[in-house]
Amino acid sequence: RKEVEQDPGPFNVPEGATVAFNCTYSNSASQSFFWYRQDCRKEPKLLMSVYSSGNEDGRFTAQLNRASQYISLLIRDSKLSDSATYLCVVNAANYGQNFVFGPGTRLSVLP
Amino acid sequence: NAGVTQTPKFQVLKTGQSMTLQCAQDMNHEYMSWYRQDPGMGLRLIHYSVGAGITDQGEVPNGYNVSRSTTEDFPLRLLSAAPSQTSVYFCASSYQGSGEKLFFGSGTQLSVL
Repeated sequence: RKEVEQDPGPFNVPEGATVAFNCTYSNSASQSFFWYRQDCRKEPKLLMSVYSSGNEDGRFTAQLNRASQYISLLIRDSKLSDSATYLCVVNAANYGQNFVFGPGTRLSVLP
Repeated sequence: NAGVTQTPKFQVLKTGQSMTLQCAQDMNHEYMSWYRQDPGMGLRLIHYSVGAGITDQGEVPNGYNVSRSTTEDFPLRLLSAAPSQTSVYFCASSYQGSGEKLFFGSGTQLSVL
């Protein structure tokens, strides 16, 4: 089983739609959680950190369920510019960092 | 305002050649790392470092060497390039500690013929 798994995608949605991505992780010692966005042939960039209480940044909402080892990302009112690959990232920072990346879920927002 | 600087952006090698990918950061980050990204595989950790003079292997270290003589620089050396090393390589850095995010360089597209 992979350490971090994500919805395989791709997701093709119309502008204005709400879309949700799911991610599960296997290492119960994981301490911090992130969603990164990666545009084609570009470097990943942090979209948002994910906190136990859930957090929101504009149209984006992230949730964490430590008991189920599950992370989600909700995008409301999708824009064309949201088209990208979304990477779930987990860090089991013991000594040093240990960032583990999911394979990513590709989103295409269609006009 | 440079962040993580990675060079070159593109490189073509012949099988058996060696080369060094350069990575430098100006944020005084303790942690630096190298990833490779292949289609359908996500980012996989090659080597990482938690400070000057300290390096360790990641998930896919074979065929690569690293060193960390300064806090700022973390070069990745391909000893004898193989077609299986054709990939996109990313350098990344962060502060130490849980919750700290990764900052990425712009990537190197490497093709080994």
